[in-house]
Amino acid sequence: RKEVEQDPGPFNVPEGATVAFNCTYSNSASQSFFWYRQDCRKEPKLLMSVYSSGNEDGRFTAQLNRASQYISLLIRDSKLSDSATYLCVALSGGYQKVTFGTGTKLQVIP
Amino acid sequence: SAVISQKPSRDICQRGTSLTIQCQVDSQVTMMFWYRQQPGQSLTLIATANQGSEATYESGFVIDKFPISRPNLTFSTLTVSNMSPEDSSIYLCSVVVAGRGYEQYFGPGTRLTVT
Repeated sequence: RKEVEQDPGPFNVPEGATVAFNCTYSNSASQSFFWYRQDCRKEPKLLMSVYSSGNEDGRFTAQLNRASQYISLLIRDSKLSDSATYLCVALSGGYQKVTFGTGTKLQVIP
Repeated sequence: SAVISQKPSRDICQRGTSLTIQCQVDSQVTMMFWYRQQPGQSLTLIATANQGSEATYESGFVIDKFPISRPNLTFSTLTVSNMSPEDSSIYLCSVVVAGRGYEQYFGPGTRLTVT
């Protein structure tokens, strides 16, 4: 079983829709989590950290469920520019071990 | 944040040769990493580049194949040695910036094709 698992998608959604991705992690000692965005043929870029209490940044909301060992990313009012691959990241070992998920591809359709 | 540049941005190399990739950061950073991303795959950590000492390699990666230098807190190189077509990949330099917790940034990557 992979340490960090994501549904690869693709998720094809119309503009304006709300879409949610989940990411499960197997290491219960993981302490911090992040969502990255990677555009085609570009490097990953930090989208947002995931806090225990959940956090929101504009149209994006991230949640952490430690009991079930998953994190989620919700995107409201999808824009064409949201089309990208979203990578889930888990940190453990005192920030010494960084594990990336394989990513979920989102395609927002006009 | 940090601005990271990598050279070269892409290269096509013959098998058996070596390529050195450079990573330059616009500020001093403690933690610097090298990743590989093969087509359609996620990122795989190759090693942590340690300033003034030998790099720390992940399982499956060895110094003879991927020697790394880190002479100071803003610069590192990764060499892909004795290349084979299986080494064709994107190689990314990454740093962690001290700030609000742990924030990791990536360079633009070096796209390597081995023929």
